[in-house]
Amino acid sequence: QKEVEQNSGPLSVPEGAIASLNCTYSDRGSQSFFWYRQYSGKSPELIMSIYSNGDKEDGRFTAQLNKASQYVSLLIRDSQPSDSATYLCAVRGSNDYKLSFGAGTTVTVRA
Amino acid sequence: GAVVSQHPSWVICKSGTSVKIECRSLDFQATTMFWYRQFPKQSLMLMATSNEGSKATYEQGVEKDKFLINHASLTLSTLTVTSAHPEDSSFYICSAYGVSGRIVTDTQYFGPGTRLTVL
Repeated sequence: QKEVEQNSGPLSVPEGAIASLNCTYSDRGSQSFFWYRQYSGKSPELIMSIYSNGDKEDGRFTAQLNKASQYVSLLIRDSQPSDSATYLCAVRGSNDYKLSFGAGTTVTVRA
Repeated sequence: GAVVSQHPSWVICKSGTSVKIECRSLDFQATTMFWYRQFPKQSLMLMATSNEGSKATYEQGVEKDKFLINHASLTLSTLTVTSAHPEDSSFYICSAYGVSGRIVTDTQYFGPGTRLTVL
């Protein structure tokens, strides 16, 4: 499996601030990149997918991809207490349907 | 998005018994489903890829005789934990790729998970 690493956290930010999450991957052939959010005791839910270099914005979330640096990030703007969760970076390689997950970064938004 | 369900949502069993977990795609057909396991404070670990009408593909280190997978229809995959022991206690989650029309999308959707506790 491909290796996916995330900054370990936990990350604590005040309400309204920007939370920045980072992820690196080892397989240069990877083509698809995903950010999932997982609340405690629940299964992951998809937040963002990104396939091309650059930024992709969806509401308060922005994903950034740099394939040359093998780096993908997620920014959460105007963080809300409801954003408190573990964020999982997932990478899919070019030759199979499997996803490789990072260990996750736990974010706590302080009210 | 696609809807994936799991049943049961939680189960408690005695050591040595077998437990079956069902994973269903509710509004689409899934030729391929995935089974993951997640221990507390850890990330998801892929256990196996479930293929409709054929044998499952297990990841390295996963005992295929202990974790039996059956994918008999396009909407149902089952995971049976045989002779369960306390170390098998975990959160088991299935997933499937969504479908848009006749095209399989690139997005995996997860079921709600099944929490297994083996006493």
